This record gives sequence, C-alpha cells and structure tokens, in this order.
Amino acid sequence: DAMVIQNPRYQVTQFGKPVTLSCSQTLNHNVMYWYQQKSSQAPKLLFHYYDKDFNNEADTPDNFQSRRPNTSFCFLDIRSPGLGDAAMYLCATSTAEAETQYFGPGTRLLVL
Amino acid sequence: GESVGLHLPTLSVQEGDNSIINCAYSNSASDYFIWYKQESGKGPQFIIDIRSNMDKRQGQRVTVLLNKTVKHLSLQIAATQPGDSAVYFCAENTEFSGGYNKLIFGAGTRLAVHP
Repeated sequence: DAMVIQNPRYQVTQFGKPVTLSCSQTLNHNVMYWYQQKSSQAPKLLFHYYDKDFNNEADTPDNFQSRRPNTSFCFLDIRSPGLGDAAMYLCATSTAEAETQYFGPGTRLLVL
Repeated sequence: GESVGLHLPTLSVQEGDNSIINCAYSNSASDYFIWYKQESGKGPQFIIDIRSNMDKRQGQRVTVLLNKTVKHLSLQIAATQPGDSAVYFCAENTEFSGGYNKLIFGAGTRLAVHP
C-alpha cells in the first residue's frame, strides 16, 4: 500500500546531541511537510518542500533543518535539541500545496 | 491573524448516538477544508474534505457541513462507536503571502464515546 513512513517511531536523545528523523513516502507526492506537535495541541508546521524548493516557516527556530535528497525521502535534523523540543514530529505529503495532506505515524522525540 | 478554532474542547457521547463536532474559521478566502482524526500516539488520519463550492458532503457514517455565511464547519458522525474515540481536527487550506498554500489547524476536539 502507498504510504508515508517515519523512522524511528520513538527517539531518545540527550540535551544538545544532534538527532535526525526520517520520512519516506511511496505516494510519489511533490510536497513533503514537517510538523511539530506537542501534547494536546494542533500540529505546527515547521517547513515544507515543493519538489526541491524549501519553504521555511517564519517562526521555525534555526535549530531545525531539513533535507530532501530525492522525491521519496525527507529528513528533519535537530542540531542541538533542548528540553522544549520534546514532541511528536509528523511528516506529511501532498500532490500539491493546495491539496489533501497525508500524514505518517509520527516520531515521538524525548530529550533527556 | 487568521485562525481556525473549535467551540468544544471535549465531547462525550453514548455509543450509538450521533456526534457533532464544530469548527469556526476566520479566513473567508479559504476554499478547502479537511477533517482529521487522530488517535493517541498516531498521526492524523484523513476523514473527509469539502471545497467551498459545496455546503455538504457525505462519507461513510460521516457528514461535513460548510456554512460560508457564518464561516462554520461541522463534522457529524452517525451511530458513534468506541473506535471513534479520538481527537478531531478541522483544517483550512489557505493561500499565504509567500505564494503557497498551507493548512491551518483548529485546536482539536476530543471525542469520548461511552458504552
């Protein structure tokens, strides 16, 4: 089945230790998104790629970076995780920016 | 700024009853709306969508109503089941000044179904 896959599902890191979260998709969608979701809150968009074009949200901290080496894969890099970065990180894809977004299962990040 | 909000943060219903989850949006230019269901520890799951040229759309046990006059969106779930227990988010797809569209999520409503 076509889907959005996120690895790992759970990630534990230490304060200040770089971490990379992975997303892959078999939907062949042009757009890939990264969201941060904290407990009992709505997902918050960090940035997205339309093909290779990167669009960063104005309030996304510089600590968060992203890479999209090809259509299928997109990575979220947190350069120096702080305790406040503990959250669920969601990847989503869509055929175009104005269309339905399909979400992966998320990666729950814990920062010690 | 533009926002999407919900009237009820928690909704408790009896199994078999119908559920109605409401959402208000503020951007009259938004032309596409989506309801997502999110179970604990999982990613949001697409339920149903509606475009602004429609006022009603039905799926399997779910109906979305759009009232553009008062900028209101609702999700109706018929014969609610325990498996419907989750947080439901409405989202509007709107164009931003950067020349691209993005989803604006509402705060979410937790639906609790009791036997």
